[in-house]
Amino acid sequence: EDKVVQSPLSLVVHEGDTVTLNCSYEVTNFRSLLWYKQEKKAPTFLFMLTSSGIEKKSGRLSSILDKKELFSILNITATQTGDSAIYLCAVETSGNTGKLIFGQGTTLQVKP
Amino acid sequence: NAGVTQTPKFQVLKTGQSMTLQCAQDMNHEYMSWYRQDPGMGLRLIHYSVGAGITDQGEVPNGYNVSRSTTEDFPLRLLSAAPSQTSVYFCASNDRGITTDTQYFGPGTRLTVL
Repeated sequence: EDKVVQSPLSLVVHEGDTVTLNCSYEVTNFRSLLWYKQEKKAPTFLFMLTSSGIEKKSGRLSSILDKKELFSILNITATQTGDSAIYLCAVETSGNTGKLIFGQGTTLQVKP
Repeated sequence: NAGVTQTPKFQVLKTGQSMTLQCAQDMNHEYMSWYRQDPGMGLRLIHYSVGAGITDQGEVPNGYNVSRSTTEDFPLRLLSAAPSQTSVYFCASNDRGITTDTQYFGPGTRLTVL
């Protein structure tokens, strides 16, 4: 059975800290791994990763995929209170279906 | 573009009632999906569609039906609502371009079954 596991499930840090969120997966026919940020409403897209070892960056956020060890990490540096959210990892399997398998999410709270 | 729209935003049902959650997208996306989100469980796929006339089951399809008669619309039907179906429901559609593979989510429907 395909599964995606995120850790930790929740995290509390202070502004300025650096955090690392983990996502491991066991799936057949891996196609891509995606990270989303969810605040009060629908998830919003952060990154899509398909190749091992290539870091994706957007401002203070970055992510990398290790297809050999079957995991990805999402780093957030110099955290701000606006980073408080649920961070979701999802894996797309097989080809041309568009369906995603999500992890449980990591709830990040950044305190002032 | 309105993106992905969902109606209603909130709904309260009694056990045994049926209803349809509406989802529409105006981006001409082939792929559409329905997820439910429960605390501590991320999003779980209910049903998905790879194009008009084609649907398939996801992880948690029991108690739900879908149809895809047009590219734009992908309604989700609850046949006989149960308290276990209390959840937040998200509809999504896929942009399958060459360099992106973004899934766009609707704003969600919060459903309570009493």
